[in-house]
Amino acid sequence: EPEVTQTPSHQVTQMGQEVILRCVPISNHLYFYWYRQILGQKVEFLVSFYNNEISEKSEIFDDQFSVERPDGSNFTLKIRSTKLEDSAMYFCASKGRAMNTEAFFGQGTRLTVV
Amino acid sequence: DQQVKQNSPSLSVQEGRISILNCDYTNSMFDYFLWYKKYPAEGPTFLISISSIKDKNEDGRFTVFLNKSAKHLSLHIVPSQPGDSAVYFCAASVAGNNRKLIWGLGTSLAVNP
Repeated sequence: EPEVTQTPSHQVTQMGQEVILRCVPISNHLYFYWYRQILGQKVEFLVSFYNNEISEKSEIFDDQFSVERPDGSNFTLKIRSTKLEDSAMYFCASKGRAMNTEAFFGQGTRLTVV
Repeated sequence: DQQVKQNSPSLSVQEGRISILNCDYTNSMFDYFLWYKKYPAEGPTFLISISSIKDKNEDGRFTVFLNKSAKHLSLHIVPSQPGDSAVYFCAASVAGNNRKLIWGLGTSLAVNP
């Protein structure tokens, strides 16, 4: 069964460092997303990506964040200068063309900023 | 921002009995609702969904009921099995191809043998 894969599963980084979280969405999907879940809090939408551009972003997704789909298969989330409050589980998701269809999620990357 | 609420953080049921998980929402623009299941150290796994034009959707042991006038939906699992023990998230989205999901806090279900 096709699946969304994320790497790494766990990343520890120093505050102020840049991190890149990687995702390989399901191959025929067209919509791509990043969500995050801070421990004990809700899953929060960060950004959606369609047709090689951001289609929507939340207020969390400030200019420290960026996304790319560099080669038609990978989908990356970059945090330029990490803060302690960026520590969270980051989930990548992808969705097919149909409007009423579910998004499939990766297993997540646990980001710890120290 | 409490657009999707799951007011029960946890639920415990006996194996073989019915589990009922509840979800309330406030945004009347939501037209598609989903339930995801999550095990520790894994990503959310899609379980079942319902469009706002329906009031019930069934898939095997899982049934989702939607009451639009009350802005309430529920997930019924019957019979419950120990393998159903997980965190269940209710999520909702507004019409449009983007379909970003707005999530509840989740309900941790424990099914006891």
